[in-house]
Amino acid sequence: NAGVTQTPKFQVLKTGQSMTLQCAQDMNHEYMSWYRQDPGMGLRLIHYSVGAGITDQGEVPNGYNVSRSTTEDFPLRLLSAAPSQTSVYFCASSYSITTGGNEKLFFGSGTQLSVL
Amino acid sequence: AQKVTQAQTEISVVEKEDVTLDCVYETRDTTYYLFWYKQPPSGELVFLIRRNSFDEQNEISGRYSWNFQKSTSSFNFTITASQVVDSAVYFCALSEPFRDDKIIFGKGTRLHILP
Repeated sequence: NAGVTQTPKFQVLKTGQSMTLQCAQDMNHEYMSWYRQDPGMGLRLIHYSVGAGITDQGEVPNGYNVSRSTTEDFPLRLLSAAPSQTSVYFCASSYSITTGGNEKLFFGSGTQLSVL
Repeated sequence: AQKVTQAQTEISVVEKEDVTLDCVYETRDTTYYLFWYKQPPSGELVFLIRRNSFDEQNEISGRYSWNFQKSTSSFNFTITASQVVDSAVYFCALSEPFRDDKIIFGKGTRLHILP
């Protein structure tokens, strides 16, 4: 049971570089989301998706892009990395967000990103 | 907009003591869901409980219990007879499924259980 898989686990970038954080789930979950975790700030929602082809902004979307071309994958793109994007990033998925309720989230193991 | 407040940033208790983690939420909706998650030192996030706004029954699961009070917009989490393995960051979260599809977390409470 792979669950939610995030790659890479660690990444160091220079300011201005771009990169993509990968997230894949094998549970056929409709809902996927990205959070960032910073000390004292908890988990903040970046972007989310309720199904293939549908994405929306969360609380802190600036500087990040997402797309959802398949049910399984939900990559997060940093177009021009900034030191303020140094954080731990978590991808999460759940069975369905559209049944009138919200299921529990299954989280990946996180990506620790440092931007110098 | 929905909001979750966990006013206790950090708590330390001695093993075997009871401890309560507070969670206060704000919502304009009558239908909403509340969650608690645990993040142990290893870093993974683990689901503990989900409660919908129409179910005000308190829940007990072993040493864990949850007190949902709509009158005070609170969903507090109590650990009875705490153990060192309970040391973790605990997050409360809120969703408003008929408004949008966001699940918003509080800032978390770091719990230290001292041996």
